[in-house]
Amino acid sequence: GENVEQHPSTLSVQEGDSAVIKCTYSDSASNYFPWYKQELGKRPQLIIDIRSNVGEKKDQRIAVTLNKTAKHFSLHITETQPEDSAVYFCAASISGDKIIFGKGTRLHILP
Amino acid sequence: EAQVTQNPRYLITVTGKKLTVTCSQNMNHEYMSWYRQDPGLGLRQIYYSMNVEVTDKGDVPEGYKVSRKEKRNFPLILESPSPNQTSLYFCASSPRGSRPQHFGDGTRLSIL
Repeated sequence: GENVEQHPSTLSVQEGDSAVIKCTYSDSASNYFPWYKQELGKRPQLIIDIRSNVGEKKDQRIAVTLNKTAKHFSLHITETQPEDSAVYFCAASISGDKIIFGKGTRLHILP
Repeated sequence: EAQVTQNPRYLITVTGKKLTVTCSQNMNHEYMSWYRQDPGLGLRQIYYSMNVEVTDKGDVPEGYKVSRKEKRNFPLILESPSPNQTSLYFCASSPRGSRPQHFGDGTRLSIL
């Protein structure tokens, strides 16, 4: 079955700098890759997603890239702000049905 | 207001006592799913449903049952709860062909 590895588990960046979180997946049939943000004590929120027919997608300060050959996908956050502090989860799915999540990255934005 | 409602939010119970966690959505979404969240393990999918009377196993279905008799409701049933099912549970819904998009606030279950 599908396996998703996420790195790093913890990331600290200076406010204003960029943050990059990387994930790899094992099942080449996976074709949908969402990212979620979870603030402390809150529900996960879908922040961006990408499908396998697209290499990159951007939404304001957030971008996701996908390398199907290498089975890698990454989340990029530019100009980080204090409100970006949270746990971020990547996930991989075949057509959005069964979905496997990474174990999460705790992002700290330092003042 | 679009929302996914889970009940109860908190529950402490004992091993073997059947329990049901309800989940209801008001967005007419076809897709609903259940997840458990444990420290260091992230989110793991338990069951999902593509539509009424259509359910399928996720990554960790053992010890759980679900039903989808109506589009808006997707209850999670623990027939004989055990301590290893102590966890934070989330229900989510999405439009057709989509992904887990709208999550409920979570249910914290403690099985003693």
